[in-house]
Amino acid sequence: DSGVTQTPKHLITATGQRVTLRCSPRSGDLSVYWYQQSLDQGLQFLIQYYNGEERAKGNILERFSAQQFPDLHSELNLSSLELGDSALYFCASSDHLASTGELFFGEGSRLTVL
Amino acid sequence: AQSVTQLGSHVSVSEGALVLLRCNYSSSVPPYLFWYVQYPNQGLQLLLKYTTGATLVKGINGFEAEFKKSETSFHLTKPSAHMSDAAEYFCAVRAGVSQGNLIFGKGTKLSVKP
Repeated sequence: DSGVTQTPKHLITATGQRVTLRCSPRSGDLSVYWYQQSLDQGLQFLIQYYNGEERAKGNILERFSAQQFPDLHSELNLSSLELGDSALYFCASSDHLASTGELFFGEGSRLTVL
Repeated sequence: AQSVTQLGSHVSVSEGALVLLRCNYSSSVPPYLFWYVQYPNQGLQLLLKYTTGATLVKGINGFEAEFKKSETSFHLTKPSAHMSDAAEYFCAVRAGVSQGNLIFGKGTKLSVKP
C-alpha cells in the first residue's frame, strides 16, 4: 500500500461527458502528480501541483484541468470526453517540490469512454 | 529535454535465468534514474533509484542496476528469475533539476516461463 488513494477505481461513461477523478496523497506529501497510461502513448505526465499551486505541466489537453485543495487532495477534471481518453489515470505524490526520491503511485482510475 | 528508451517491449526468460532489461537515457543535466515495476491491475512501485554516488544500485526483490554515464545506460538485472517477477517494468528519468516529475520509458513486459 503506497498510501496514495484514488477514486473511483473504475468509471464508464459516454462521449461528451465530464468526469472527476480524485486523489488523496500520502500523509505529509505536498506534491501531487497526474499521469495518463494508455497502450499507444505509455505513461504520460499531465500536471503537477505543489501545496496548492500548479508547478509543472506536461501533455495535458485543454479539455482537462486539475486542482489541489487546501487539504492537499487533488482532482483531475476531464470534459467533452472522447473515445481516445479511455485510459488508466494515475496519481502520485512526493514530499518535496523537486524530490530526488521516489514518486508514490496510487492504483489508478480506469476510465472507459463508450 | 530528458528522455528514456527501453529496448524491447517484451522479454521472456525461463525461471532461474538471468533477467536483463535495457534502458538508455538522454539528459541535459546529471540524471536521476529510476526503475519501477507494475503488476497487473496495480500502481507503479519503485524497484530502485540512482541519484548520486555508487553507480551499482541494489533494489528490492533481488534486482540491481548499473549507471553507466559513458553509455548513457541504466540496465536492470536480476541473476535468477522467479515466476513472481512477471510484470511490466518502467525506466524513468527526472524531468529536470528543479522538477520532481518523471519521464517514463514505454515499458518492458517480462514473462517468466516455468
